[in-house]
Amino acid sequence: DAGVTQSPTHLIKTRGQQVTLRCSPISGHKSVSWYQQVLGQGPQFIFQYYEKEERGRGNFPDRFSARQFPNYSSELNVNALLLGDSALYLCASSLAAGGENTGELFFGEGSRLTVL
Amino acid sequence: AQTVTQSQPEMSVQEAETVTLSCTYDTSENNYYLFWYKQPPSRQMILVIRQEAYKQQNATENRFSVNFQKAAKSFSLKISDSQLGDTAMYFCAFMKPWILSGNTPLVFGKGTRLSVIA
Repeated sequence: DAGVTQSPTHLIKTRGQQVTLRCSPISGHKSVSWYQQVLGQGPQFIFQYYEKEERGRGNFPDRFSARQFPNYSSELNVNALLLGDSALYLCASSLAAGGENTGELFFGEGSRLTVL
Repeated sequence: AQTVTQSQPEMSVQEAETVTLSCTYDTSENNYYLFWYKQPPSRQMILVIRQEAYKQQNATENRFSVNFQKAAKSFSLKISDSQLGDTAMYFCAFMKPWILSGNTPLVFGKGTRLSVIA
């Protein structure tokens, strides 16, 4: 079975540009979460979507936005890129629905964003 | 807000030896999940072991076991018979159950870089 897939794996942007990152969850998973991992730090929660609705948002500016599609895939958009947005962006999927929630997230390999 | 602290930025261990990674956390919740994730150079975060706070028995997964001390808010990971493939960043993480929060964000520590030496 395919795991969580993310694209692109690497990308380079310049300050002020916009970027879109994509994520496909494990088949049957209805929840997708996004995390930002700055070099040398643990991942930080950005968003969670479940059944196409935003269920949680971390402490990130409005330049960060996301959405989930009917097939449960997701996009993370970051506008007006800053040097500090350089990071590994991780997507995770889970069943996450009431009693079905086992508390386990399955992660993709991430998209490495470099802002110059 | 919950916080997770890993006080050992780097550790090393000889192959076949045992190593323990420390983690403490702060929360006012009574029910929650704790995790150890492994992140090798390939970048993918891999679940090593999980513990439900309401279970008193410490979780074990083959060579990996935890020492969960709820009152002390401590959650250490013990790796027995260390192997070269265990070399990675290890992150301790905390999660409130979905039923309490409506979402499932993981709160991670800063990680411990473990090197297994041949």
